Amino acid sequence: NAGVTQTPKFQVLKTGQSMTLQCAQDMNHNSMYWYRQDPGMGLRLIYYSASEGTTDKGEVPNGYNVSRLNKREFSLRLESAAPSQTSVYFCAGDQGVSGNTIYFGEGSWLTVV
Amino acid sequence: AQSVTQLDSQVPVFEEAPVELRCNYSSSVSVYLFWYVQYPNQGLQLLLKYLSGSTLVKGINGFEAEFNKSQTSFHLRKPSVHISDTAEYFCAVSDSDYKLSFGAGTTVTVRA
Repeated sequence: NAGVTQTPKFQVLKTGQSMTLQCAQDMNHNSMYWYRQDPGMGLRLIYYSASEGTTDKGEVPNGYNVSRLNKREFSLRLESAAPSQTSVYFCAGDQGVSGNTIYFGEGSWLTVV
Repeated sequence: AQSVTQLDSQVPVFEEAPVELRCNYSSSVSVYLFWYVQYPNQGLQLLLKYLSGSTLVKGINGFEAEFNKSQTSFHLRKPSVHISDTAEYFCAVSDSDYKLSFGAGTTVTVRA
């Protein structure tokens, strides 16, 4: 039982390049999330998917797109990377019910130069 | 959406000493409160959560937290810390909108 798995773990991009962060969960979660973590700012929600086939913007969606490919997979795409997108990205999932525990992947460290 | 304030960004503490991490949130009719821990180079994992009932909540690794509705606080405590408790701790809150709002985090460094 892998939980929430995200790839790649580390990536260096040049400004303007594109890339996709992949996330898969085997916990039968209804909802999935992408967060970014920056020093002194905690975790900020980029996009989320309340259920298969739906996606919605979070707190900081600009410069990102997402796809909920099926119930298991939720990808995050940077179309034209910028240095301001240097961050640690976390995928997470839960049942989408108030009070539920959210489960996190181990993070993807992205550097844009 | 809720907002969460963690009052201390860094907390240095000696091994076997007690520690308290402070968390305040913006008021709402009803909230659910969480503490997550992040060990170096890892994702976040749940320490404990308050949903309803007893205001004193016990979690893993000897941590506990107390919900205080009048002060809109959810402070985390451990009576005796270990070196292995060195980590970043995040307070989080959700309400009827189930998505979590996180505080900025408190880095705990335990020294021998």
